[in-house]
Amino acid sequence: DAGVIQSPRHEVTEMGQEVTLRCKPISGHNSLFWYRQTMMRGLELLIYFNNNVPIDDSGMPEDRFSAKMPNASFSTLKIQPSEPRDSAVYFCASRYGTSGDEQYFGPGTRLTVT
Amino acid sequence: AQKVTQAQTEISVVEKEDVTLDCVYETRDTTYYLFWYKQPPSGELVFLIRRNSFDEQNEISGRYSWNFQKSTSSFNFTITASQVVDSAVYFCALSIPSQGAQKLVFGQGTRLTINP
Repeated sequence: DAGVIQSPRHEVTEMGQEVTLRCKPISGHNSLFWYRQTMMRGLELLIYFNNNVPIDDSGMPEDRFSAKMPNASFSTLKIQPSEPRDSAVYFCASRYGTSGDEQYFGPGTRLTVT
Repeated sequence: AQKVTQAQTEISVVEKEDVTLDCVYETRDTTYYLFWYKQPPSGELVFLIRRNSFDEQNEISGRYSWNFQKSTSSFNFTITASQVVDSAVYFCALSIPSQGAQKLVFGQGTRLTINP
């Protein structure tokens, strides 16, 4: 089985531009998570979906960030407009089951906003 | 609130040495889950182990072993006879079912370097 797929792997954009990150979870998994990793803040949860429904978006930094999961096999994280402080590695993870079960992470998208 | 502390920011050892990575967690809940993940230089996060709060039995998987002690709120990870391929950042994480978010709370990670 393929793991979690993220695209693009690298994104370089200019401040003010819209950025869309994409994720395909593992087939059959019912939860999807978006994380951000920075040197200063480590790994932090941005938002998570259960059965395609957003459950907790308290980690989304501000209104410039939005996430959607139109179906069980696809999710997007959008930043509009992007700012240099958004530069980070964004991970998508999926899970089958509940909080006691492990999450499987994608390879990440390294975003650089200049 | 829940918290995970990995006090060792960086560890460097010579190949074949044993090394222990410390993890201390904080929670008032009696039901919780602990995890270890590995992040090699390539960047992806790889799941290593899960342990629930009711199972204090230590686990061994090849050169890897985990020591869970509720009395000290610790879930330490030991690599025996370390190899260069073990070089990575290792994260300890905590999940609490009673918390609606069901999110993983990660420690800051320990960067392990195995020198040949």
